[in-house]
Amino acid sequence: DSGVTQTPKHLITATGQRVTLRCSPRSGDLSVYWYQQSLDQGLQFLIQYYNGEERAKGNILERFSAQQFPDLHSELNLSSLELGDSALYFCASSGETGGNYGYTFGSGTRLTVV
Amino acid sequence: AQKITQTQPGMFVQEKEAVTLDCTYDTSDPSYGLFWYKQPSSGEMIFLIYQGSYDQQNATEGRYSLNFQKARKSANLVISASQLGDSAMYFCAMRESRSGGSNYKLTFGKGTLLTVNP
Repeated sequence: DSGVTQTPKHLITATGQRVTLRCSPRSGDLSVYWYQQSLDQGLQFLIQYYNGEERAKGNILERFSAQQFPDLHSELNLSSLELGDSALYFCASSGETGGNYGYTFGSGTRLTVV
Repeated sequence: AQKITQTQPGMFVQEKEAVTLDCTYDTSDPSYGLFWYKQPSSGEMIFLIYQGSYDQQNATEGRYSLNFQKARKSANLVISASQLGDSAMYFCAMRESRSGGSNYKLTFGKGTLLTVNP
């Protein structure tokens, strides 16, 4: 157990639907990062939250949104799903500056859009 | 321009031999960190080793070492005495620390698939 918990582990849904992916960071970590891993795009940074505030935004589609709650868990909302959204979605957490070993990844949520 | 380049889509190595996985990076930030992660077929991302841009010595962690050549902007991973369990995808990643900023995301290369043969 890495300390970062992602749920669910697997998700199968239809095109046009909306899903929510959940991430609980390692205890004490204030930053949460979301990444999308697909075969054609590799690992792409989506968005970062730090202590409840959006800190950085990457290649995140407008159909996607995220937030970090007061208890520091984060949710990634994916709407109007398309076949191309099928991917492995990772959450990672880190301490205030990232540090040397500061990034811890969850085991990922595998999303399949059919 | 790609920030992290891994030129070897796939590599093969015999068990017990050493293997080097290549990684070059591009940044103008004087302060940065370089990471290697292992992703087995089960999918999880496993941290292997870290090298800071100001570190004078190459990082080592057990059978893993990082050959850091700052002038060439390369950070190759060396795995000694390969084991069958080392078969996995390996990713090089970089963290840039931008002055006055708050962006500590990792940028990943496309990965190298390592296969260890018995």
